Amino acid sequence: DVKVTQSSRYLVKRTGEKVFLECVQDMDHENMFWYRQDPGLGLRLIYFSYDVKMKEKGDIPEGYSVSREKKERFSLILESASTNQTSMYLCASSEGVAWYGYTFGSGTRLTVV
Amino acid sequence: DQQVKQNSPSLSVQEGRISILNCDYTNSMFDYFLWYKKYPAEGPTFLISISSIKDKNEDGRFTVFLNKSAKHLSLHIVPSQPGDSAVYFCAASAQGAQKLVFGQGTRLTINP
Repeated sequence: DVKVTQSSRYLVKRTGEKVFLECVQDMDHENMFWYRQDPGLGLRLIYFSYDVKMKEKGDIPEGYSVSREKKERFSLILESASTNQTSMYLCASSEGVAWYGYTFGSGTRLTVV
Repeated sequence: DQQVKQNSPSLSVQEGRISILNCDYTNSMFDYFLWYKKYPAEGPTFLISISSIKDKNEDGRFTVFLNKSAKHLSLHIVPSQPGDSAVYFCAASAQGAQKLVFGQGTRLTINP
């Protein structure tokens, strides 16, 4: 089974801190994604990457950046955390086209105080 | 611009009855549709999918119906069980696309 592992289940950070969320997948998938889940807003795409060192902005990239130095690892960076970035962050990976489906990690619940 | 919409934020159904979750889309280029199920503190897991060449797909208690002319799909769960209580997300993609577009989700509660 494909496994997508997010390094932290829960994080509490202070406003203004730089925050790193790490995601690792173990099945050599080409595509990796970062979403945030908020009540009433569903899953919104922050960034995705279709290859090492390649990235593309999603629907809500403001305040975030990403890094993909190795195929299996995709990091989400909050340059200066703000309270409106308190959310559930979900990493996903997929092989090829989207209709094959995604495999999601368990999520990181980030609280910015 | 919400291309995939789930207009019911929540749904409550009696155990053993049918649950019907609805999803509407606006982009006529969407060719594939998927349903994901999410429990609290877990990532979404794939449930069932359908391509636009079909109007129905079944997998055990789960059936997805697609009405292309109305740009509408629905997920039927029969019979509903307490373990079905979760948030359900509808997702869509165009042929060849690398990204899924998700709806807002519907929280389903199955009452004993």
